[in-house]
Amino acid sequence: GENVEQHPSTLSVQEGDSAVIKCTYSDSASNYFPWYKQELGKGPQLIIDIRSNVGEKKDQRIAVTLNKTAKHFSLHITETQPEDSAVYFCAAYNNNDMRFGAGTRLTVKP
Amino acid sequence: DSGVTQTPKHLITATGQRVTLRCSPRSGDLSVYWYQQSLDQGLQFLIQYYNGEERAKGNILERFSAQQFPDLHSELNLSSLELGDSALYFCASSSTTGWNSPLHFGNGTRLTVT
Repeated sequence: GENVEQHPSTLSVQEGDSAVIKCTYSDSASNYFPWYKQELGKGPQLIIDIRSNVGEKKDQRIAVTLNKTAKHFSLHITETQPEDSAVYFCAAYNNNDMRFGAGTRLTVKP
Repeated sequence: DSGVTQTPKHLITATGQRVTLRCSPRSGDLSVYWYQQSLDQGLQFLIQYYNGEERAKGNILERFSAQQFPDLHSELNLSSLELGDSALYFCASSSTTGWNSPLHFGNGTRLTVT
C-alpha cells in the first residue's frame, strides 16, 4: 500500500517569511494529492489539491508542486501570517486508498 | 463551515463502556469516512460507507463498528472501551465513492476514557 512521509514535523517562521512542507510517497500510481489545514479544535479543511497530470498549482499565497519522477510534492506558503499557524497534513490517493502524512505543526511568529 | 455535523462534541466515559458517535454528512454527499486522531498523531482511517454500504475498511478494531442509515447519517459504535481509545474521532464526507475528491471533515468528537 501507499506510504506517505511528511517533513518537517514542526516549523516555525517569522511573519512574512515563506514556509515549505515536503511529502514523499511510495506508490508511483498515486494520482491525487490534497493538503489539509487543521486549526485548533477543528477538523482538517482542504486548502489545495493537485492531480498527477499537473506539476504545479497556485491559489493566492498557497502553492503546491508535484514531482512524479521523484515521488514528492510540496506545499509552499508565501507571506505567512499568524492565522496560517496550524497543523498541515499532506495525503496521497491511489486505487481507493488514501494515506495521510503525520502532519506539520506550523507556527508563524508575529 | 464544512457542512458536516458531528455529535456530541465531547464524551467522557469509563473503561468497559460503550458509546455511539454520530455524523451527518454534507448535503448531497453519499460517502462517509471515519478517522481516529490520537494525541500528536496523524489521521488513522477506520471505515468508509457509500450510500449505506461498507466501502472500505482501515485499521478498525473489532470492538468498533459503524453503519450508514438510509438518510445517509452515520454512527460509529465503540464498545468495551479502553484507555487507549481516548482520541478525537472525525467524520468526513465526499460526493464520490473514493478519496480522489475533496473530503469535508466535521469538527470531531473528543472521546475521553477514564
